[in-house]
Amino acid sequence: EAGVTQFPSHSVIEKGQTVTLRCDPISGHDNLYWYRRVMGKEIKFLLHFVKESKQDESGMPNNRFLAERTGGTYSTLKVQPAELEDSGVYFCASSQIARDGNYGYTFGSGTRLTVV
Amino acid sequence: AQSVTQLGSHVSVSEGALVLLRCNYSSSVPPYLFWYVQYPNQGLQLLLKYTTGATLVKGINGFEAEFKKSETSFHLTKPSAHMSDAAEYFCAVNHAGGTSYGKLTFGQGTILTVHP
Repeated sequence: EAGVTQFPSHSVIEKGQTVTLRCDPISGHDNLYWYRRVMGKEIKFLLHFVKESKQDESGMPNNRFLAERTGGTYSTLKVQPAELEDSGVYFCASSQIARDGNYGYTFGSGTRLTVV
Repeated sequence: AQSVTQLGSHVSVSEGALVLLRCNYSSSVPPYLFWYVQYPNQGLQLLLKYTTGATLVKGINGFEAEFKKSETSFHLTKPSAHMSDAAEYFCAVNHAGGTSYGKLTFGQGTILTVHP
């Protein structure tokens, strides 16, 4: 089966511009997660979709970040306008449902975003 | 709130030597614990996980970890390091149950270097 696909793999944009990251989860995986790793820091949770609904968006840094998951399939994460501190690696992961936590994530390779 | 601490951001071992990567966690509920590995230019790959049952967990590539509740630890070991083990390793704890199920809290990561 195909894994979790993220694109672009790298993006370099200027401060103030808009960038949209995309994640295609494994087919049939209702859960989709976004995480971010800022350089030198730990990987941090951004938000969690169950199908098309936002289950938990407590990790979203501010309202410059907008995540969508149209039709419960792929997801996009838009940063508008981008700031220097948004630079980092953005990971997407998907999993099948398991409310007791006994599940296995599959992570994508990440998108490395550089804001200059 | 849950947290994960990985002792040592960099660990260097000789090929054939024991690998020991340390992870301590704090959790208000019984944790589910994970170790992930990231090879260069790749996504996060699950090495092993502890949910319930046997506290010594075996994973891929000869790695294993032991859940010690009294020490709140989940250290990762491998008896004999191989050059191909060079990567960054992440310990994570899961928020099981409630609306935050599936949300992972990561440690800071440990870069493992293996030299000949």
